[in-house]
Amino acid sequence: DAKTTQPPSMDCAEGRAANLPCNHSTISGNEYVYWYRQIHSQGPQYIIHGLKNNETNEMASLIITEDRKSSTLILPHATLRDTAVYYCIVRVRQGGSEKLVFGKGTKLTVNP
Amino acid sequence: GAGVSQSPSNKVTEKGKDVELRCDPISGHTALYWYRQSLGQGLEFLIYFQGNSAPDKSGLPSDRFSAERTGGSVSTLTIQRTQQEDSAVYLCASLLTGGTTVKEQFFGPGTRLTVL
Repeated sequence: DAKTTQPPSMDCAEGRAANLPCNHSTISGNEYVYWYRQIHSQGPQYIIHGLKNNETNEMASLIITEDRKSSTLILPHATLRDTAVYYCIVRVRQGGSEKLVFGKGTKLTVNP
Repeated sequence: GAGVSQSPSNKVTEKGKDVELRCDPISGHTALYWYRQSLGQGLEFLIYFQGNSAPDKSGLPSDRFSAERTGGSVSTLTIQRTQQEDSAVYLCASLLTGGTTVKEQFFGPGTRLTVL
């Protein structure tokens, strides 16, 4: 299974951009990178996913390096409500099964 | 319903007892997952159901753990002879498969299991 590596914690000032890095150096060519976040005591919430190209939606942007060995999730204007654990995940497909392989994530604290 | 629901939200049991955790996926979602999250840890994959295919049970930690999905909808995760290390939040997720669009998993709020 491809594994991901993230810093355990990060801080960001409210209103500033939060850039969360992720390494996935063993990712295979057909494996997608997903980002989820988990606010305390809630189930994980989907943010964004990508394969090769950079992606943007109403929540965030995802920048994937050309060699696909790393990516960065960007929250352009962080708010206090963005304080959460952010998981960078590779979707693994094996035979007829697929699953998300979670790491420990990055705890992002947005400070006022 | 609007999202994935799980019951109970909290379960406290004594060591050695059996427990059943329930998941109601989003209507029409063909894939269903169970994950476990121990305190301060990331999510650990347990089992995956996809339509009528044989489930992927590769993440179940021991034969005390089993899961069923009846009628392609509701799923029950059963833990027999619970141990203290089984204490965790058990999360269920569902996914609408089919077509060529890559889709995301929707998670329920989880069941917090405490084994005394």
